[in-house]
Amino acid sequence: AQKVTQAQTEISVVEKEDVTLDCVYETRDTTYYLFWYKQPPSGELVFLIRRNSFDEQNEISGRYSWNFQKSTSSFNFTITASQVVDSAVYFCALSELTSGSRLTFGEGTQLTVNP
Amino acid sequence: EPEVTQTPSHQVTQMGQEVILRCVPISNHLYFYWYRQILGQKVEFLVSFYNNEISEKSEIFDDQFSVERPDGSNFTLKIRSTKLEDSAMYFCASSEDSRGIYGYTFGSGTRLTVV
Repeated sequence: AQKVTQAQTEISVVEKEDVTLDCVYETRDTTYYLFWYKQPPSGELVFLIRRNSFDEQNEISGRYSWNFQKSTSSFNFTITASQVVDSAVYFCALSELTSGSRLTFGEGTQLTVNP
Repeated sequence: EPEVTQTPSHQVTQMGQEVILRCVPISNHLYFYWYRQILGQKVEFLVSFYNNEISEKSEIFDDQFSVERPDGSNFTLKIRSTKLEDSAMYFCASSEDSRGIYGYTFGSGTRLTVV
């Protein structure tokens, strides 16, 4: 069965600090997909990134970067030079090829960036 | 930027009443989903819908729930006889394909409060 664990319930940083949000997943499939979503205080879910299991190349998008390591079943998310607007709940999610299109979400990490 | 539209944003209903939550997915998307998020908890999959039928559903999606695409644009979730524990944020999502290659786009959610 698929499972996503985000061990960090809450993280608080000061603006301009770098912060890494951890995500560890469990799956029996060899083909799977990993996602990160941002949920700001307004409540909507904003898509950030999708990664498939065959692509372990790390990705950078502006201040955001993602580190995918199959050896440790982790898909960590780093925000560089954090800003107050980054304050949100961040969810890591997994879908497996054999379990249809459902997304299994982690518990989420509440990130607070203080000025 | 195309978006998934959900109405209403907030609905209060009495226990035992029927509610219908409405969604307008992105026009060229073929796959539609409902998720729910109980306050402070993770996002949970309810159901996926493709080609006018349910393609997958979770254990949560029991006989009290139903989905429908009554016309070419709307996608609805009906809860037949609401219970207190149905209070949650309900998210509609859509995708171009079943694997979410371009991500799953979520709506802003409907907050359902059952009193």
